[in-house]
Amino acid sequence: QSALTQPASVSGSPGQSITISCTGTSSDVGSYNLVSWYQQHPGKAPKLMIYEVSKRPSGVSNRFSGSKSGNTASLTISGLQAEDEADYYCCSYAGSSTSGVFGGGTKLTVL
Amino acid sequence: EVQLVQSGAEVKKPGESLKISCKGSGYSFTSYWIGWVRQMPGKGLEWMGIIYPGDSDTRYSPSFQGQVTISADKSISTAYLQWSSLKASDTAMYYCARNPSYYDSSRFDLWGRGTLVTVSS
Repeated sequence: QSALTQPASVSGSPGQSITISCTGTSSDVGSYNLVSWYQQHPGKAPKLMIYEVSKRPSGVSNRFSGSKSGNTASLTISGLQAEDEADYYCCSYAGSSTSGVFGGGTKLTVL
Repeated sequence: EVQLVQSGAEVKKPGESLKISCKGSGYSFTSYWIGWVRQMPGKGLEWMGIIYPGDSDTRYSPSFQGQVTISADKSISTAYLQWSSLKASDTAMYYCARNPSYYDSSRFDLWGRGTLVTVSS
């Protein structure tokens, strides 16, 4: 199966909002409300930020929000902060035979 | 403390076998799935497979089916990822991660620190 498609990079200034897209197909993102988002700082393990498209785990800032339309899921970060600079990955359930697929990742730069 | 502790870094030669481990503690190991995720140097995350230690139900990504074996020993709360014949292209960081959902294999809420595997002649 192919990885989900994410922009290679996005950037924004402190206080601004940015949105990262994650495009899949009707076999994964489009068929299930089972998309998660992860934040990964250099040299660190990923951290779950969003699950089931728009739910936030306990302890994750409400500046992070998720949504989905058709085959595309999105992560929005509002009120950008310096510590948000990291790589972000989406991941979708892709059916029982494939199970899971990640996006290629997006590098967020806070200017 | 709820955590996943992974085995240490490995340096192997092509053709050698390897088994790395991931030990869960602080929670009911048999009640959560454990997944494995590959990250090649400078690259993104790749979903490899997942196992339910309670009954060893295992699912693989088609990209990794037949290339690795995922197993678990619930008596010692440990999951494993193994190779029978390593290739240079297996050089990567391998993360184990806990999945709390039977129906959502995209959701990993607890991660190990990773095991770096280097395969070089």
